[in-house]
Order: sequence, then structure tokens, then C-alpha cells
Amino acid sequence: DTGVSQDPRHKITKRGQNVTFRCDPISEHNRLYWYRQTLGQGPEFLTYFQNEAQLEKSRLLSDRFSAERPKGSFSTLEIQRTEQGDSAMYLCASSVAGTSGGRQETQYFGPGTRLLVL
Amino acid sequence: LAKTTQPISMDSYEGQEVNITCSHNNIATNDYITWYQQFPSQGPRFIIQGYKTKVTNEVASLFIPADRKSSTLSLPRVSLSDTAVYYCLVGGSQAGTALIFGKGTTLSVSS
Repeated sequence: DTGVSQDPRHKITKRGQNVTFRCDPISEHNRLYWYRQTLGQGPEFLTYFQNEAQLEKSRLLSDRFSAERPKGSFSTLEIQRTEQGDSAMYLCASSVAGTSGGRQETQYFGPGTRLLVL
Repeated sequence: LAKTTQPISMDSYEGQEVNITCSHNNIATNDYITWYQQFPSQGPRFIIQGYKTKVTNEVASLFIPADRKSSTLSLPRVSLSDTAVYYCLVGGSQAGTALIFGKGTTLSVSS
């Protein structure tokens, strides 16, 4: 078990450019989540997938943000026309659906992709 | 989801026991209490989860009083490597899958 991986770890871009981040979840984890974290704040939920279906996307920050998980394995998060306010850490997490009973399910986070928009 | 309140920061020395208390006055009957730890430049990591009374694992203990309106994360004999942000979350499977994080408690351990 290699854990959740994210690529790249760091990204510097100019305002107006598009960026894409990749997340590889833990094998056999069918749920995948994206969060954003700004300095001094806790992670903020953006969207999640169960297998290839995107079940919640209303919290994506704007229509410039989109996510895909085409084959139910890895996922990508794209930000179009980046703005300086998009600078943050983007975290991916994964979990196994249906194993938590009534508990709050345990999510396993990757190391994040730190984005800086100049 | 129930809102949580925890101290913004705490300081400790190596070898001491650290107790971080979280208030969650509006916790629902089906909610569990979960704590995550986050080191700089890393994603959060699950520490412990409980529903009532006391839960202990190899990392920490979680104390939950009968009214469940608060909980205390106890870290025994902290070391420098326990310096991190600790988040208290409440919720259950009925609340959906998103984890709702507050600002957490920044614990600084000194030698």
C-alpha cells in the first residue's frame, strides 16, 4: 500500500493559465475527494467521486474548477484561467465506501499540490 | 454538521502530557468525534475516533463525557515530532462524506 499520491507537488503558474493536478488514490479505494487548503485554515471540501461518478460538485469554487475520474481510478482537478486567489494547497483523499457503519469514514490524504499563481 | 470549537494554539515541552479539548454543543445523536493531525506541507492524518466514554490507541486517547458536548484528545509524553495542527471533527455516515474542518489547534512542542 503506497498511500495516496499527488502530482505535481508544487506548481507555479501565471494568472490566466490553466493547470491540472493528478491524484492516485489507494488501490481498491472507491471514493476520492478533493479539498483546498489556504494558509491558516483547515481543508475545505470541493468535490468527491464514488468510482467514476461525481456525486457532489456543488462546492467547487467556480465554473473554472472541474474534476474527472474517468475510469474510477486516478482523478484530475483542473483550474482554468487561474487567478491569484486560487493559490492554495490542493489535497486529495480516498476511502472505501460502505465500511464505516454509522461512523464518520476515515479518509486518507495525499501530500497535496501547492499552487502559486503569480 | 455540528460546529466545533477548539483552542487556536497550545504550547508544551517534551515529555509532557497534552490535552486538547474540543466543544461541540450541537452534536447529533448519530455523530462520532474524530481527530486528525496535520504536519506542515502534508495532508491530514486520522488519529482517533470515538462515540462515548474513552477510546485509546497506540497514538492517543480520546475522552468523551456522558453529555458528549465536548471531547478531549490526550497525547501522552509528547515529543518534538508531535508539533502539528490537530483538528476535531464531528459527524457520521448519515451526514454525507465531506469532512468539515475548522481551523484546528496548533500544538508547538519545545525541548
